Amino acid sequence: EADIYQTPRYLVIGTGKKITLECSQTMGHDKMYWYQQDPGMELHLIHYSYGVNSTEKGDLSSESTVSRIRTEHFPLTLESARPSHTSQYLCASSERTGGAGEKLFFGSGTQLSVL
Amino acid sequence: GQNIDQPTEMTATEGAIVQINCTYQTSGFNGLFWYQQHAGEAPTFLSYNVLDGLEEKGRFSSFLSRSKGYSYLLLKELQMKDSASYLCAVMLTGANNLFFGTGTRLTVIP
Repeated sequence: EADIYQTPRYLVIGTGKKITLECSQTMGHDKMYWYQQDPGMELHLIHYSYGVNSTEKGDLSSESTVSRIRTEHFPLTLESARPSHTSQYLCASSERTGGAGEKLFFGSGTQLSVL
Repeated sequence: GQNIDQPTEMTATEGAIVQINCTYQTSGFNGLFWYQQHAGEAPTFLSYNVLDGLEEKGRFSSFLSRSKGYSYLLLKELQMKDSASYLCAVMLTGANNLFFGTGTRLTVIP
């Protein structure tokens, strides 16, 4: 069982609100990620981190920001939510596999709806 | 650009065998992953292939041909709980993330 947690599970908010999606992992993984997934669509990387004080933007342009002050914690913040931000947000952390790849462990996700 | 192709939907009968194909065209390759995702849940790791050939893990097997840019996931003795989306993802060389396909939604019927 992967020990990576996201809160809240579901969130409905009004336009213009500031929100923070929480993600924590207890596996001691250095690398963490935020993905965005719309129904029936592929996952898109929006942010990732190599470790404490490291944050990078992913492939998908996003108006969100992230921080990595502690290894286990990787919150994502939207300063002013808009209906276009309605989506599922998945947090993940990774460990190396026996080969060169990184095996990702995902949290249960946050389903965000902006009205 | 990167491209991963998978069938959108498949249906198979309980107890049968199903093969889900994935073809990819990417700038660099550092391994291919298969994930299972039940509706409304997070993806969970199924398999990883970086060398050509077949990797078997219980009822699930995954095959890779790097020269053809092709992989498949084979599910045997299908169970109703196998109804889910199956995501093919490629790790790009020098990149720090997986590039995901849109997934194949598998429905297992009695």
